[in-house]
Amino acid sequence: EVQLLESGGGLVQPGGSLRLSCAASGFTFTTYAMSWVRQAPGKGLKWVSGISAGGGSTYYADSVKGRFTISRDNSKNTLYLQMNSLRADDTAVYYCAKAQSSGSGSYYRSFYYYGMDVWGQGTTVTVSS
Amino acid sequence: QSALTQPASVSGSPGQSITISCTGTSSDGGGYNYVSWYQQHPGKAPKLMIYDVSYRPSGVPDRFSGSKSGNTASLTISGLQAEDEADYYCSSYTSTNTVVFGGGTKLTVL
Repeated sequence: EVQLLESGGGLVQPGGSLRLSCAASGFTFTTYAMSWVRQAPGKGLKWVSGISAGGGSTYYADSVKGRFTISRDNSKNTLYLQMNSLRADDTAVYYCAKAQSSGSGSYYRSFYYYGMDVWGQGTTVTVSS
Repeated sequence: QSALTQPASVSGSPGQSITISCTGTSSDGGGYNYVSWYQQHPGKAPKLMIYDVSYRPSGVPDRFSGSKSGNTASLTISGLQAEDEADYYCSSYTSTNTVVFGGGTKLTVL
């Protein structure tokens, strides 16, 4: 079964740090781009960050650039989001999501901006004093 | 990175058809064919319903369809069913190498 399982959420004070993890199973993790998407309480979805399949290219929303770092360990089938200088408006449920792919062989592609076809259950981050 | 514009709510009766619009600018949504639609039931993770403007992932009923004209993408649900009641979000790739979501539309099945 294709599955993503987030962990690492919790309560943190403003200015603090937290690292989220997303364990992947049931698919060849190393060949898919991935993203983090968050949802503040009662609000809509917001894309946070994306990373290429190999991990060499990363992308961020302006609201988190310079504070958050996305990374992946393909040997552990795990995606990460290091969050520093946390603010109250970072409070949200954080989802990791797998990007679709297209093509095969030398035409194979998976970009973070493709449709996100597998989502985790989310992990809650609360930034409050 | 302004959100794509969606109506806050739409409603329809069982069996009817509804359309949700998603309007962007030429630098997001309108300029690319990487438009996706997601369905989210309360307390659940989003589910991909449409990708690349008009393609359905396997398992998504053909009652769901997508299209785009100019800077506006649309999701149409025909033959509305009670289980279609949910929040729907569009998303698109942007010219600044980011992904932007719409504000979301709450679908009520009357």
